[in-house]
Amino acid sequence: GDSVTQMEGPVTLSEEAFLTINCTYTATGYPSLFWYVQYPGEGLQLLLKATKADDKGSNKGFEATYRKETTSFHLEKGSVQVSDSAVYFCALSPYSGGYQKVTFGIGTKLQVIP
Amino acid sequence: DAGVTQSPTHLIKTRGQQVTLRCSPKSGHDTVSWYQQALGQGPQFIFQYYEEEERQRGNFPDRFSGHQFPNYSSELNVNALLLGDSALYLCASGVNEQFFGPGTRLTVL
Repeated sequence: GDSVTQMEGPVTLSEEAFLTINCTYTATGYPSLFWYVQYPGEGLQLLLKATKADDKGSNKGFEATYRKETTSFHLEKGSVQVSDSAVYFCALSPYSGGYQKVTFGIGTKLQVIP
Repeated sequence: DAGVTQSPTHLIKTRGQQVTLRCSPKSGHDTVSWYQQALGQGPQFIFQYYEEEERQRGNFPDRFSGHQFPNYSSELNVNALLLGDSALYLCASGVNEQFFGPGTRLTVL
């Protein structure tokens, strides 16, 4: 079945440091890929997405590129802020004729210190 | 647009009881999915409803059931609660790109 593997945290960075959170996936067909963010005490928010190979999703300074050859969708940000502290989930949605379900990774907690 | 709303926010039950959680989808969305998020874990897909029918189901026992109403709102019912059912229950609306509600925190004692 479908699965998502992402690096376990927590990840602790100083403000303005470079961020990479690795994510690889296993899926049949051509899934859509997502990064969701969950701030403390809140639900999940879509951060960015990519729907086909070589697509780059971007939002709020975060980027991720859909790499089909390496089945990866790593999240990057050039300069993190304290406000980026949250849990980040990599996820995929399979192509299944419109009846979609999202498979999530375990989540990576990011803590940014001033 | 109110987005996806869920009620109640928190709930405490004891083992063996039954619980009903509610969800209203984002305006214009006719598909509702439910997820269980245990502490420190990623959300796990429970099932999805479309046109008042269950269209997909994850690996959850029959104690978990649902319903979708003509206005697209949805309920999640869990019978014979176990301690392991304690989790954040998330509702999402939309297909492929899903918008999530804030969740209902269920504690089973």
